[in-house]
Amino acid sequence: QKEVEQNSGPLSVPEGAIASLNCTYSDRGSQSFFWYRQYSGKSPELIMFIYSNGDKEDGRFTAQLNKASQYVSLLIRDSQPSDSATYLCAVNALRYGGATNKLIFGTGTLLAVQP
Amino acid sequence: DAGVIQSPRHEVTEMGQEVTLRCKPISGHNSLFWYRQTMMRGLELLIYFNNNVPIDDSGMPEDRFSAKMPNASFSTLKIQPSEPRDSAVYFCASSLVRAEAFFGQGTRLTVV
Repeated sequence: QKEVEQNSGPLSVPEGAIASLNCTYSDRGSQSFFWYRQYSGKSPELIMFIYSNGDKEDGRFTAQLNKASQYVSLLIRDSQPSDSATYLCAVNALRYGGATNKLIFGTGTLLAVQP
Repeated sequence: DAGVIQSPRHEVTEMGQEVTLRCKPISGHNSLFWYRQTMMRGLELLIYFNNNVPIDDSGMPEDRFSAKMPNASFSTLKIQPSEPRDSAVYFCASSLVRAEAFFGQGTRLTVV
């Protein structure tokens, strides 16, 4: 079992729709969860982070975390063609009394927003 | 701050040659990560450092790969000897513990 799993897609949505991206993780000790966006040929850039169960909203983006189900999701409202990119889920497990910091990424979901 | 700085941006080398990739993390960050990205395998964690100390190198593919962090502002990833299957984009990232990681622009390595 991979440590962080995502559907590779592509996920195709029409402009203005809600895009829903999902991620599951295997390590119950994980404490920090991140969503990154990566355009083709560029480096990953942070969109959202979430540490607690529930929802966290930032503009058109909402991150959702359910630690019991080991599940993280990202919702993008009013999707725009400029949102077309690969979305990477990342999970951070603190170990050894919080002294370490292992950040693992899923393989990413390719999102295509159709005009 | 200028962000995470990697060099070179592109590297083309012949099989068997030594390759050294360099990274300058964001000042004040105490964690540094080296990742390799390919279409087939995605973004793989090779090694990470906390306070300049290597914590987990289980992702390093084999003994041909080595990484060092002699001080808080500099790290290297070395491949010796290089092979065509090492061709990939190598990213360096830095962070504070438990916080988000910031990525450099990456080094695109091609081994012919």
